[in-house]
Amino acid sequence: GEDVEQSLFLSVREGDSSVINCTYTDSSSTYLYWYKQEPGAGLQLLTYIFSNMDMKQDQRLTVLLNKKDKHLSLRIADTQTGDSAIYFCAERETGFQKLVFGTGTRLLVSP
Amino acid sequence: EAQVTQNPRYLITVTGKKLTVTCSQNMNHEYMSWYRQDPGLGLRQIYYSMNVEVTDKGDVPEGYKVSRKEKRNFPLILESPSPNQTSLYFCASSLTGTGGSNSPLHFGNGTRLTVT
Repeated sequence: GEDVEQSLFLSVREGDSSVINCTYTDSSSTYLYWYKQEPGAGLQLLTYIFSNMDMKQDQRLTVLLNKKDKHLSLRIADTQTGDSAIYFCAERETGFQKLVFGTGTRLLVSP
Repeated sequence: EAQVTQNPRYLITVTGKKLTVTCSQNMNHEYMSWYRQDPGLGLRQIYYSMNVEVTDKGDVPEGYKVSRKEKRNFPLILESPSPNQTSLYFCASSLTGTGGSNSPLHFGNGTRLTVT
């Protein structure tokens, strides 16, 4: 099956930029997503990018997609303590009605 | 308020005692799915349903059953729970299938199950 990998942990200081990375194996993925999971809650869709795009910006969030390397990243500008959460990368598996999730990256923002 | 509601939030049970985790959505979504979340493994899909009376296995269906008799409800049934089913479970729904800018997945708040 397809595989999505992320680093497990990232620690930054408040006000810095955070960059969370993700690699995937399905070269024919149509959509790639970033979800955020806060403690005790389900996952919330943060942003997504269509596979024919290289970059998408949405306020403090910038998504970069390198299709050649199958690498996706999420940059959070001016990171705040409220951004502390687990961030999941996910891809839509071509031909299947499901998303394949990465292992999640726990972002810790210290004051 | 549009939401996916799971119950219970926490459940402790013993091996072999049948249990059901309920899931209900009020958004008239066609697609519903169950995931389990385990440390270091991310979310893995258990079962999904494209519409009423249509269900399919995900990646880890063993030991689970589901039903979709009504559009809004998608219960997860563990006929004979075992300790390896101790996990955090999420129900999710979307308008039509998954993906697309107009059909994101909406998640419930999770059910933490412990099987002793």
